[in-house]
Amino acid sequence: GNSVTQMEGPVTLSEEAFLTINCTYTATGYPSLFWYVQYPGEGLQLLLKATKADDKGSNKGFEATYRKETTSFHLEKGSVQVSDSAVYFCALSKTSYDKVIFGPGTSLSVIP
Amino acid sequence: DAGVTQSPTHLIKTRGQQVTLRCSPKSGHDTVSWYQQALGQGPQFIFQYYEEEERQRGNFPDRFSGHQFPNYSSELNVNALLLGDSALYLCASSRDANEQFFGPGTRLTVL
Repeated sequence: GNSVTQMEGPVTLSEEAFLTINCTYTATGYPSLFWYVQYPGEGLQLLLKATKADDKGSNKGFEATYRKETTSFHLEKGSVQVSDSAVYFCALSKTSYDKVIFGPGTSLSVIP
Repeated sequence: DAGVTQSPTHLIKTRGQQVTLRCSPKSGHDTVSWYQQALGQGPQFIFQYYEEEERQRGNFPDRFSGHQFPNYSSELNVNALLLGDSALYLCASSRDANEQFFGPGTRLTVL
């Protein structure tokens, strides 16, 4: 079945450091890929998405590229801020309105 | 424009009891999905409602049931609560092929 694997946390970085959170997926066909963010005590917010191979999703300085050949969708940001501290979930769905399958989440803490 | 809203925010129940959680979708959305997020884990899909019918269902027992009303709002019911049902329950709404928008969740604690 379809599944998502992402690097285990927690990840702790200093402010302005470079961030990479690895994500790989298993799915038939060409699913849509997402990164969601969950701030402490809040629900999920869509951070970015990509719907086909080689698409790059970007938002708020975060980027991820849909790599069909490596079945990956790694999240990157060039310079993290304290306000980026949150849990990040990689996810997929067959279509944008289908059920979303989430990875286990990666907790990020950014220290001043 | 209000986003997805859920009630109550927090709920405490005891084993064996029944609970009902409520969700109002984002304006213009007609599809509602429910997810269970256990502590420290990613959300797990419970089911999805469209046109007042259950369209998809995840691997959850029949103790979990739902309903969608003509105004597209939805309820999630859980019977015979177990300790393991303690989790954050998230509602998401969407329309057509657009992305799902999540609500803030209801934190259920079963004692």
